[in-house]
Amino acid sequence: NAGVMQNPRHLVRRRGQEARLRCSPMKGHSHVYWYRQLPEEGLKFMVYLQKENIIDESGMPKERFSAEFPKEGPSILRIQQVVRGDSAAYFCASSPGGDNQPQHFGDGTRLSIL
Amino acid sequence: QKEVEQDPGPLSVPEGAIVSLNCTYSNSAFQYFMWYRQYSRKGPELLMYTYSSGNKEDGRFTAQVDKSSKYISLFIRDSQPSDSATYLCAMKDSGGGADGLTFGKGTHLIIQP
Repeated sequence: NAGVMQNPRHLVRRRGQEARLRCSPMKGHSHVYWYRQLPEEGLKFMVYLQKENIIDESGMPKERFSAEFPKEGPSILRIQQVVRGDSAAYFCASSPGGDNQPQHFGDGTRLSIL
Repeated sequence: QKEVEQDPGPLSVPEGAIVSLNCTYSNSAFQYFMWYRQYSRKGPELLMYTYSSGNKEDGRFTAQVDKSSKYISLFIRDSQPSDSATYLCAMKDSGGGADGLTFGKGTHLIIQP
């Protein structure tokens, strides 16, 4: 499968636990983007990463959220001490980089907080 | 005023009709425009990508951009029941590290057989 792979597809956590969402970009893509889709809301940009670097985190909540894209392995979006309001679909997209290269999305991780 | 406005619908049309979907935006820095299709419980699927004013055609789909009016459209010809989905417009400015897309809320389209 050459597409953007996200796992798990569904994740259930209790309030106060940690959530880790993983994203493997398309083959040949070195740019990764995370978005959040709340019920009845549009997709909102969170963070843009290249290998080992955060390029733009202007959409990330200031607390409890972090992201990384290590030299080896998938990109990780980490949410500490989850709260009910974190329940959403989290989507990852990737591109080869450059203005004329569109972003391609995975099928998302649906996070539910009990 | 939201950066990108898109009528959420639902928009219901009979099979075979021409569908017109639209977005308006307020940020004149937006230079790249995309249309994505999203089926329920799935990720957005890229349909069209353009960065100039005018029309771009791909099969049954035509994307239209009018930068002077800050208005973009997606036309679907010979609509099929399988086109029933949510259509998202997205846009971004010309880089400088700001590669995050700004999305409309999406229009829910229903094609009646």
